[in-house]
Amino acid sequence: GAVVSQHPSWVICKSGTSVKIECRSLDFQATTMFWYRQFPKQSLMLMATSNEGSKATYEQGVEKDKFLINHASLTLSTLTVTSAHPEDSSFYICSARDPESGYQPQHFGDGTRLSIL
Amino acid sequence: QQQVKQSPQSLIVQKGGISIINCAYENTAFDYFPWYQQFPGKGPALLIAIRPDVSEKKEGRFTISFNKSAKQFSLHIMDSQPGDSATYFCAAGDYKLSFGAGTTVTVRA
Repeated sequence: GAVVSQHPSWVICKSGTSVKIECRSLDFQATTMFWYRQFPKQSLMLMATSNEGSKATYEQGVEKDKFLINHASLTLSTLTVTSAHPEDSSFYICSARDPESGYQPQHFGDGTRLSIL
Repeated sequence: QQQVKQSPQSLIVQKGGISIINCAYENTAFDYFPWYQQFPGKGPALLIAIRPDVSEKKEGRFTISFNKSAKQFSLHIMDSQPGDSATYFCAAGDYKLSFGAGTTVTVRA
């Protein structure tokens, strides 16, 4: 089945630093990947849609300069949280679609827990 | 604007019982309705999904019922097991997905 891998699974860093999270599709080529944010005991909120070779599309209210997304290859998308602050602490999850399956379903990674001190 | 409403927020069921979770959506353009299961510290895993041309889909102990006219769909978990204890999310969409708020299911042995 389609496997999506995220790295790192957990990161703790000081306020003001930038953190990069990687999302890889391991056994398929993903032209589109999605980035979500999930606070404790809450639902998944879509942050942005990442398209290979083009700029990401951000959802309303998401700061594109704060959350930089790069989708440089068909198997890798990265999310960089710039100048992270404690309020950015959250669970970040990516998903990807196997284009061979049409535009659904989305396969999710296991998430990255980001803690900003 | 919440496009998918999910209920209940939590439920407790005895082992062997039936868990029922309900969702309602607003956008009639949505054509894909998946259910995801999430364990603490993990990403959501696809359980079962349905398209609007079908009123019911069953996979093992999991069944989706879909009512297009009412814009509602539900997940039934039959013969609930302690390993089913997790948070369940419904979602709806086309190219993108909107998620419900989630239901925490606890199965008591």
